[in-house]
Amino acid sequence: SQTIHQWPATLVQPVGSPLSLECTVEGTSNPNLYWYRQAAGRGLQLLFYSVGIGQISSEVPQNLSASRPQDRQFILSSKKLLLSDSGFYLCAWSVTGPETQYFGPGTRLLVL
Amino acid sequence: GDSVTQMEGPVTLSEEAFLTINCTYTATGYPSLFWYVQYPGEGLQLLLKATKADDKGSNKGFEATYRKETTSFHLEKGSVQVSDSAVYFCALSVRPGNQFYFGTGTSLTVIP
Repeated sequence: SQTIHQWPATLVQPVGSPLSLECTVEGTSNPNLYWYRQAAGRGLQLLFYSVGIGQISSEVPQNLSASRPQDRQFILSSKKLLLSDSGFYLCAWSVTGPETQYFGPGTRLLVL
Repeated sequence: GDSVTQMEGPVTLSEEAFLTINCTYTATGYPSLFWYVQYPGEGLQLLLKATKADDKGSNKGFEATYRKETTSFHLEKGSVQVSDSAVYFCALSVRPGNQFYFGTGTSLTVIP
């Protein structure tokens, strides 16, 4: 069966520090991968999606970036965090076609 | 562009009341439509989906019908329970790459 992992589960970082959140998927090949942010009172926002290794599409311009170094690994990064980067970050995967997305457990990020 | 507009909350209902959460969409092609649910402290879970016009998705007593003529996918349940208290997200997916677009979420609280 397929599983999706995210870590860390919780992170507290100072403003201006770098960020690296990791997401890995098991049990499937060549998935589409997604990063979302859920900010308090602002719903769910798609940040990046990837249809293959090295292929990243950005939905919202900001100080975050994403990379996909391996087929089932998706990384969300920042060189310098802002206060507004605080939120709940969700990774998800799907397969080609009008299929469901499956979400990871999320990472709660607090930037102080 | 593609988007989902969802009824704003919060919504508070008494147990056994009828629930409707409105969702309308804008899409350039023929999207698949979804309702996701997020229970307190948990990630998102698929509640139901419909992949073409006039399809009805159903699960756990919830239903939603894909209405192309009104570009809507309203969520309904005839008799809500306290355990239905959660945040509900309407979403659509379009090809290629299966990018998903979520509504802002509607918080539902059911009181005994």
